Amino acid sequence: DAGVTQSPTHLIKTRGQQVTLRCSPKSGHDTVSWYQQALGQGPQFIFQYYEEEERQRGNFPDRFSGHQFPNYSSELNVNALLLGDSALYLCASSWMGEGESKNIQYFGAGTRLSVL
Amino acid sequence: DAKTTQPNSMESNEEEPVHLPCNHSTISGTDYIHWYRQLPSQGPEYVIHGLTSNVNNRMASLAIAEDRKSSTLILHRATLRDAAVYYCILRRDTGTASKLTFGTGTRLQVTL
Repeated sequence: DAGVTQSPTHLIKTRGQQVTLRCSPKSGHDTVSWYQQALGQGPQFIFQYYEEEERQRGNFPDRFSGHQFPNYSSELNVNALLLGDSALYLCASSWMGEGESKNIQYFGAGTRLSVL
Repeated sequence: DAKTTQPNSMESNEEEPVHLPCNHSTISGTDYIHWYRQLPSQGPEYVIHGLTSNVNNRMASLAIAEDRKSSTLILHRATLRDAAVYYCILRRDTGTASKLTFGTGTRLQVTL
């Protein structure tokens, strides 16, 4: 059973460019959350998608946007990249249904984005 | 967002129990307490979670204070592979959304 997969693993961009990161959730999961983790810090919540809609958003500007597809996979888009956007971007998937495993998030290995 | 407070770092000897503390004095009645750990160059790994009662699984035990304002993650026999950053997190569910708020975590060092 494949876990959460993210692509690409590493990415280098320059300031002002746009980037798209991709995430495939764990089998059976219907919810995808995105996090940004700066070096030496804990992950910071960006937003969460369920039923192809953004359900909750953290304190991130509109340059950060996302999408969820009917197969539950998701994309994170960042426009007008800044040097400060350099970080590890983590995707987590979970199941919004009922039961003990409800809302337990499982993380991918992340995409390391470097903005030069 | 409700916040958690953890020591920055802890050390343990291999094969000994480890108790990782966490304070969450502003927890609300419906917040779940989660623990994750993160090894270098990996995403966070789910360890355990609970609401009010103590919990045990194959990885660890979670002891929750009666007033829920603090909790302790217990690793019964630390191994070198348990060296990681451990995050104590409050999970808040709202309708069709659920959010994890991470702090800075406790870096656990395990020595021979």
